[in-house]
Amino acid sequence: AQTVTQSQPEMSVQEAETVTLSCTYDTSESDYYLFWYKQPPSRQMILVIRQEAYKQQNATENRFSVNFQKAAKSFSLKISDSQLGDAAMYFCAYRGRRYDSGGSNYKLTFGKGTLLTVNP
Amino acid sequence: NAGVTQTPKFQVLKTGQSMTLQCAQDMNHEYMSWYRQDPGMGLRLIHYSVGAGITDQGEVPNGYNVSRSTTEDFPLRLLSAAPSQTSVYFCASRIAGQRNSPLHFGNGTRLTVT
Repeated sequence: AQTVTQSQPEMSVQEAETVTLSCTYDTSESDYYLFWYKQPPSRQMILVIRQEAYKQQNATENRFSVNFQKAAKSFSLKISDSQLGDAAMYFCAYRGRRYDSGGSNYKLTFGKGTLLTVNP
Repeated sequence: NAGVTQTPKFQVLKTGQSMTLQCAQDMNHEYMSWYRQDPGMGLRLIHYSVGAGITDQGEVPNGYNVSRSTTEDFPLRLLSAAPSQTSVYFCASRIAGQRNSPLHFGNGTRLTVT
């Protein structure tokens, strides 16, 4: 079974600085998808960025970028120029490509989350 | 586009009561799912569906039933509520069969069972 580990329960960053959130995962599949979701206090789950395992180029979305290391099974999120609105719980998630009943394509496996605080 | 709509936003039940959490999406997504979120646990899959008439179990299905009679709706039924089912419940949907399609989440239902 796939597992996703976020080793930092809490992180803090000064406004305008850069912070990196860690995520590692375990899988025997060679093709899969990785996601970062943000959950602010409003409870809404917001997609931040996504990466396909077969693409070597790291995904970027404005101030958000990832460092995807497939061999190390690592998928860290870098937030540049941090803003107060970035304060939230961040979840790393994995989805595989198995299509059997209960297969990994039908389930998003989440880490336990990292709570990010942004200090003014 | 309303996206994924969940009702109610909050609910308090007594042990043994039953209820249905509603979920509807207007994006014509084939895949729909229910997750529960507990402190320190991330989100865990309860049930999912890949189309009308097709449902399957996730990681934590016990105590919950689902059905999918239309593409738009995917209700979650608690048959006999227990305090262990106190949680935040999310409905989510996505396009099936498209690489890397992300899950779109509803705003969640906070359920308390006393």
